[in-house]
Amino acid sequence: NAGVTQTPKFQVLKTGQSMTLQCAQDMNHNSMYWYRQDPGMGLRLIYYSASEGTTDKGEVPNGYNVSRLNKREFSLRLESAAPSQTSVYFCASSDVGPWGYTFGSGTRLTVV
Amino acid sequence: EDQVTQSPEALRLQEGESSSLNCSYTVSGLRGLFWYRQDPGKGPEFLFTLYSAGEEKEKERLKATLTKKESFLHITAPKPEDSATYLCAVHRTGGGNKLTFGTGTQLKVEL
Repeated sequence: NAGVTQTPKFQVLKTGQSMTLQCAQDMNHNSMYWYRQDPGMGLRLIYYSASEGTTDKGEVPNGYNVSRLNKREFSLRLESAAPSQTSVYFCASSDVGPWGYTFGSGTRLTVV
Repeated sequence: EDQVTQSPEALRLQEGESSSLNCSYTVSGLRGLFWYRQDPGKGPEFLFTLYSAGEEKEKERLKATLTKKESFLHITAPKPEDSATYLCAVHRTGGGNKLTFGTGTQLKVEL
């Protein structure tokens, strides 16, 4: 049971570079989410997708874009990375509603 | 705006020393309060959902309770393997699927 798979696990970017974080789930969940986790700030929602074909902004969407490629996959793109985007990024999925999110193991991103 | 405050930020216990973690919340219309466990370098793992004041849920040495203003995670006779960060989150009516998380309590249980 893979659950939620995130790639890559670690990444170092230079300021201004772009990259896409990948997320896939195999639980047939409808909803998927991207969070960032920073010390002292807790988990903050970047974007979410309530169902295939829909995406909505969360608390901290600036500097990010998302694509819900299909029911399984939800990617997060940084078009021009900034040091303020240094963080640990978590993807999560759930069935209808947020009940019992299943999280991936995270991507640790450093922007220098 | 929804607010979730967890205390203490960090807690060190001896094995077998019971204690409680606190999660205070301010939300307009609570639909659910969630507890997660997070181990270092891993994603949060779902523990419990509580829906209404007075509700309690248990899992092994953990018991979660809910009032109209706060939730407690009681840890009875903890073991070193209970060491982790415990996160609390709320879901409010009309909030879509979004959860608002607290910053967590880092628990360390020593022999």
